[in-house]
Amino acid sequence: KNQVEQSPQSLIILEGKNCTLQCNYTVSPFSNLRWYKQDTGRGPVSLTIMTFSENTKSNGRYTATLDADTKQSSLHITASQLSDSASYICVVEAYNQGGKLIFGQGTELSVKP
Amino acid sequence: ETGVTQSPTHLIKTRGQQVTLRCSSQSGHNTVSWYQQALGQGPQFIFQYYREEENGRGNFPPRFSGLQFPNYSSELNVNALELDDSALYLCASSSLLRREQYFGPGTRLTVT
Repeated sequence: KNQVEQSPQSLIILEGKNCTLQCNYTVSPFSNLRWYKQDTGRGPVSLTIMTFSENTKSNGRYTATLDADTKQSSLHITASQLSDSASYICVVEAYNQGGKLIFGQGTELSVKP
Repeated sequence: ETGVTQSPTHLIKTRGQQVTLRCSSQSGHNTVSWYQQALGQGPQFIFQYYREEENGRGNFPPRFSGLQFPNYSSELNVNALELDDSALYLCASSSLLRREQYFGPGTRLTVT
């Protein structure tokens, strides 16, 4: 069964600190992996997209890594800000399945002053 | 702002009723996908439309149906509403050539 699992489920950090979120997937065949940020009550916003040949991709203070062999990804947030408080969702697109995206349950990040 | 709009923002229906949710795609996008997001969960893929034809479907019963119009806007119809249909419904538009999907703000449906 195609699944995407994230950890931790929730995380509280102090403003200015770094953090790393984890994602494991069993989706096969694999097309690409994405990280989205979702504010409460809003639609998800894309942070990064990586294909199997990409190991790392950055978007400002966000850096995503991908190990397609172990089917693991991480999202590292540097120098966190209060506005980083949101749900971070790992998403995998299966190859040649009509654009079907498989979402993880998300990691709820809370950045405190 | 992603340029994707959805209406209405909130909706309350009773069990057994039918509902229609609407989505306007970002300009230049010919593909729209619909997702159901239950509280505290990640979105679940319902289906995708490309040039007015269904292009892929998730594990949702036939009472979930859709339409895409020539201007690439889209509707999600749900018949015989059940309590478990209460969720945030998201649409996302994209062009088939580019992988990026842009999400709308969602419609919060409550079934009582």
